[in-house]
Amino acid sequence: DTAVSQTPKYLVTQMGNDKSIKCEQNLGHDTMYWYKQDSKKFLKIMFSYNNKELIINETVPNRFSPKSPDKAHLNLHINSLELGDSAVYFCASSQDPTRTQETQYFGPGTRLLVL
Amino acid sequence: GIQVEQSPPDLILQEGANSTLRCNFSDSVNNLQWFHQNPWGQLINLFYIPSGTKQNGRLSATTVATERYSLLYISSSQTTDSGVYFCAVERRSTGTASKLTFGTGTRLQVTL
Repeated sequence: DTAVSQTPKYLVTQMGNDKSIKCEQNLGHDTMYWYKQDSKKFLKIMFSYNNKELIINETVPNRFSPKSPDKAHLNLHINSLELGDSAVYFCASSQDPTRTQETQYFGPGTRLLVL
Repeated sequence: GIQVEQSPPDLILQEGANSTLRCNFSDSVNNLQWFHQNPWGQLINLFYIPSGTKQNGRLSATTVATERYSLLYISSSQTTDSGVYFCAVERRSTGTASKLTFGTGTRLQVTL
């Protein structure tokens, strides 16, 4: 009965490679998000999708490209990985973007290490 | 954007002790959540509390929206309470996109 799941949990790769992280939610939510947590534990939003449509893009480098094939899935593809991309990436979802008061539910995170 | 500050940044407690964590925010908000990030990195929802007081077992939270702060109380702390506690807020209008702004976190270590 997993609510928000992410794969893989760990990802170790070389600089310059391209990699993808997948996220799925079974909560029936309309909105999904990607957050990045840096080495100092600071969490910041990257993207938000509502019903497969991009609604927030927080000045993230265009090497990062989110894709939402349907409202239950939001994937994150990263091109030409750099050392500074090493972080924990969290996916989240919430139910109804039209409500001003919403709870966001987070996945377990994907720990990316770029060597 | 909204600024969110948490205090203290670090806290060491002996098992059984009580503690209060604070979250100050720079503007009025209509969403506030407390999270616990456990030592394995999982972010666990503790409370959704834009205003008022809620309790869940040994944890309780109070948000005084008019004074722009929230408090998280941990009573009879246990080693499993160790981790980082985050406060996250947002202020948005109906129909606009949701975007949580996280605080800097309080790192809690509970020792035997």
